[in-house]
Amino acid sequence: GAGVSQSPRYKVAKRGQDVALRCDPISGHVSLFWYQQALGQGPEFLTYFQNEAQLDKSGLPSDRFFAERPEGSVSTLKIQRTQQEDSAVYLCASSSPPGLAGHTQYFGPGTRLTVL
Amino acid sequence: QKEVEQDPGPLSVPEGAIVSLNCTYSNSAFQYFMWYRQYSRKGPELLMYTYSSGNKEDGRFTAQVDKSSKYISLFIRDSQPSDSATYLCAMSGVNSGGYQKVTFGTGTKLQVIP
Repeated sequence: GAGVSQSPRYKVAKRGQDVALRCDPISGHVSLFWYQQALGQGPEFLTYFQNEAQLDKSGLPSDRFFAERPEGSVSTLKIQRTQQEDSAVYLCASSSPPGLAGHTQYFGPGTRLTVL
Repeated sequence: QKEVEQDPGPLSVPEGAIVSLNCTYSNSAFQYFMWYRQYSRKGPELLMYTYSSGNKEDGRFTAQVDKSSKYISLFIRDSQPSDSATYLCAMSGVNSGGYQKVTFGTGTKLQVIP
């Protein structure tokens, strides 16, 4: 497809379950960003990949959050032992120029995670 | 205090009104200033961006940046019901790692009533 796709679109997990969220960026886009958007809030930066290298993971809330992009295209955000405070929309964005984001990034539709 | 402050609204206006949306920020290193529009259950989409200070116009939309006051605005003229969405301001600068990290405001929910 032409845009960024994410799957699943909706995920309901019981507290303590592990979840994996997938992002398919626009083909050829070097930069990939993950954001967390809580209800009524703006997106908050989680982590940044340039190709397969994770250059910044300073926004990951805890060591239960883990992201990877092994071949420099598809990325997976994994959350272990989910907690209720993890409930949010997880957005993925990709950008073509390495390092540039704000005015060049394209967002996916997000995965809405609900932890019961 | 957050780096970027934005009134969450909601803001309700009649069709045809001029809408003014604003954000303030504290980080003087920000260089790119953006406005995103987000419809319900969709990802944000970039509306406009400005590099450094100044004005930029695109159709019914005008973005203004005043770096001396650390204040940015988005004006929507002749607002339409289809403009009903959440508007997010966002800002970035190149950090020590050589890439941009974008900081978003909380978003202002706008409703344009026919």
